[in-house]
Amino acid sequence: GAVVSQHPSWVICKSGTSVKIECRSLDFQATTMFWYRQFPKQSLMLMATSNEGSKATYEQGVEKDKFLINHASLTLSTLTVTSAHPEDSSFYICSAPRGGAQKPQHFGDGTRLSIL
Amino acid sequence: KNEVEQSPQNLTAQEGEFITINCSYSVGISALHWLQQHPGGGIVSLFMLSSGKKKHGRLIATINIQEKHSSLHITASHPRDSAVYICAARPVNTDKLIFGTGTRLQVFP
Repeated sequence: GAVVSQHPSWVICKSGTSVKIECRSLDFQATTMFWYRQFPKQSLMLMATSNEGSKATYEQGVEKDKFLINHASLTLSTLTVTSAHPEDSSFYICSAPRGGAQKPQHFGDGTRLSIL
Repeated sequence: KNEVEQSPQNLTAQEGEFITINCSYSVGISALHWLQQHPGGGIVSLFMLSSGKKKHGRLIATINIQEKHSSLHITASHPRDSAVYICAARPVNTDKLIFGTGTRLQVFP
């Protein structure tokens, strides 16, 4: 069964809305989680590293005020897309290494975000 | 040039065929991952390897660190193997992954 749960799986909302996506590790603690973005037929691109108890580390070109990340507990990280616009429409997916960052990563099922 | 390159981009096969997907990378790595992405988007980690060869069922992954090359093989392919296969390199001294562009595999009955 899934070890990383991502919710919601699908969101459609109006331009200007803020959308929160949750990523939970189900039976293990994750001090680090990763957030990715994927456009159709393209590869995954790392957006940021979510760190429990400290600020997220954003990749170059990713707006931290646009994509708010909160690692509230050892089993939950959230990504909030603030004031979303159509160009933010994409597939967002999280992952968490089980047993530490040097271990295989487990991925959520992703969230398909469509902004009208 | 991408740091992680995969080939082929698209692959079609008849059921039962032996499949090979290749991955080359240009950075020093601590591990290489092979991932499977289903049409709905969900991703499953197939292998993580840093040397040699790993086997799980009909899947085999190999890596040659000196040549900076890895291959994923599928023996006796089946239509349910149809998916996008992605290799991802973890550079030395980082927890991040660099992803290849993926290989879209379709296996026909």
